[in-house]
Amino acid sequence: GQNIDQPTEMTATEGAIVQINCTYQTSGFNGLFWYQQHAGEAPTFLSYNVLDGLEEKGRFSSFLSRSKGYSYLLLKELQMKDSASYLCAVRARDSNYQLIWGAGTKLIIKP
Amino acid sequence: DSGVTQTPKHLITATGQRVTLRCSPRSGDLSVYWYQQSLDQGLQFLIQYYNGEERAKGNILERFSAQQFPDLHSELNLSSLELGDSALYFCASSVGEGHGSPLHFGNGTRLTVT
Repeated sequence: GQNIDQPTEMTATEGAIVQINCTYQTSGFNGLFWYQQHAGEAPTFLSYNVLDGLEEKGRFSSFLSRSKGYSYLLLKELQMKDSASYLCAVRARDSNYQLIWGAGTKLIIKP
Repeated sequence: DSGVTQTPKHLITATGQRVTLRCSPRSGDLSVYWYQQSLDQGLQFLIQYYNGEERAKGNILERFSAQQFPDLHSELNLSSLELGDSALYFCASSVGEGHGSPLHFGNGTRLTVT
């Protein structure tokens, strides 16, 4: 069956770098998305990976290794506003191409 | 602003009642998705419509139903409400049927059943 694992919570310091990992088990992988969600607000799209490698977008980068079923989201120069949950979602054939969502990683930024 | 509009923002109702949540997708998006998110829980996929037709069903209860109209807006109907239905309900839209298109989420409707 499908499964997505992310750490429940992480803490980092303002100005530092943090890496949030996501591992998945699916059949017929078709893409991986990262979203940011502030408490009580809508998830907002951060990045999309379908091929192996690193996608960079400003302070945020996302990496994918399909052979390892692994992705990470890298956040640089952390700001207090980056305190949020980060959701990993995978699209695959065995979920009929619907997104399967991880439970999210709550990132706490400390001054 | 994602361009996806949901109304109402908040809804408080009693058990046993019926409510309708409304969603207007981003201009040009043909797919609409409904998700439920309970307190401190992950996103639970309910249903997807594409250009007026049901495309996929997730963990949607029989008491819940949805439709997408010719102008592409969508409604989610929740009936015989129970306390456990209290949650944030998100609508999302995407350009195509899904494959490579990111979902863009509305701000959600917070439903409280008392």
